[in-house]
Amino acid sequence: AQKITQTQPGMFVQEKEAVTLDCTYDTSDPSYGLFWYKQPSSGEMIFLIYQGSYDQQNATEGRYSLNFQKARKSANLVISASQLGDSAMYFCAMREVYNFNKFYFGSGTKLNVKP
Amino acid sequence: SQTIHQWPATLVQPVGSPLSLECTVEGTSNPNLYWYRQAAGRGLQLLFYSVGIGQISSEVPQNLSASRPQDRQFILSSKKLLLSDSGFYLCAWRPGTGAGKLFFGSGTQLSVL
Repeated sequence: AQKITQTQPGMFVQEKEAVTLDCTYDTSDPSYGLFWYKQPSSGEMIFLIYQGSYDQQNATEGRYSLNFQKARKSANLVISASQLGDSAMYFCAMREVYNFNKFYFGSGTKLNVKP
Repeated sequence: SQTIHQWPATLVQPVGSPLSLECTVEGTSNPNLYWYRQAAGRGLQLLFYSVGIGQISSEVPQNLSASRPQDRQFILSSKKLLLSDSGFYLCAWRPGTGAGKLFFGSGTQLSVL
């Protein structure tokens, strides 16, 4: 089974609007970490935000927030006030407690911000 | 501060030729090192990771190999490239202790023709 599922291959959002990128995960580990990375056309992977499975509050980093719903096993990324520079691929990833070395990545969502 | 260098940025190789991609990390010691491959428009596939010099874990049996001759150096190799080896290769590191996030290099676009 897929560890990380991103069901939106591509999305459009109007500049200055908010957008939610979906991510669901599959694990039976009691402790895990969830990550979001941005990949602009240059190819480099840029870390955006992290959520630990035991964190009580949803993570926030500037315009990025993570809508963490543990029971549903979802970790959606919310980008507020979209900017043209947000156009990129976005990847959700998970690491399980029993193997810190394995980061599982989803297939990504291509976000296009329209002016 | 820590930095990761990966080269070359692009590479075009004929089928059957050898491959050597190099990655080095500066500003830290005993990092965990990773090689990922990304097919066009796809997610990242973990190829190899290393927790120390000479220690290599392979995730996907294939035409590639990895080596870690020095603490902060990670090399991805192949003796004979296949067409299916084409893709975007990313090196990454994270601190050797704790549960840190991955830091990625700028990637190598490999085209096997």
